[in-house]
Amino acid sequence: AQSVTQPDIHITVSEGASLELRCNYSYGATPYLFWYVQSPGQGLQLLLKYFSGDTLVQGIKGFEAEFKRSQSSFNLRKPSVHWSDAAEYFCAVGAITGGGNKLTFGTGTQLKVEL
Amino acid sequence: GAVVSQHPSWVICKSGTSVKIECRSLDFQATTMFWYRQFPKQSLMLMATSNEGSKATYEQGVEKDKFLINHASLTLSTLTVTSAHPEDSSFYICSASDSRVGGVQPQHFGDGTRLSIL
Repeated sequence: AQSVTQPDIHITVSEGASLELRCNYSYGATPYLFWYVQSPGQGLQLLLKYFSGDTLVQGIKGFEAEFKRSQSSFNLRKPSVHWSDAAEYFCAVGAITGGGNKLTFGTGTQLKVEL
Repeated sequence: GAVVSQHPSWVICKSGTSVKIECRSLDFQATTMFWYRQFPKQSLMLMATSNEGSKATYEQGVEKDKFLINHASLTLSTLTVTSAHPEDSSFYICSASDSRVGGVQPQHFGDGTRLSIL
């Protein structure tokens, strides 16, 4: 079964600083990987996804993530954080099951941005 | 594109009543819809997966008679919490994907429903 680990529960960065959120996955085959962001009291918004091909994927809001098979990682990065980026970030790995596409989420990383 | 609407966004009701939550895909056909439950400051816990026109597949430990799921059309799924009790209070989130495209497709999420049982 697949699993996702997000080692950092909380991260605080200053506005304008760079950001990297860590994600490690466990999956027996080529993984389908996703990053979602959740603002308080709201659903999840897809930031970016990796299915195959170029291991550096670009997403919305200036985010990017790099798939590293040798490290089983899919870390999310942003060169310059804005105050509006403060939110909860979830990494997820997808698998095809008999019932459809199933996502397994990490426990999330809470991002706080200091002005 | 890929907008999912969830209604209501917030509901408070008395213990013992049943509550229905709707999840609609507004601009795509959702062959598969998912229902999650999220506890405060925790990740999403998948409750069930429903394919249009089929019975939902429930995750282990989720009571199918307590959480009734209907997915009668390609744009609508409903979750009914029957005889709700305070321990059912939570944040419920639906998501939808079009499985006909092939491969693992992204799930598009609604904004969630905050359910409070008094």
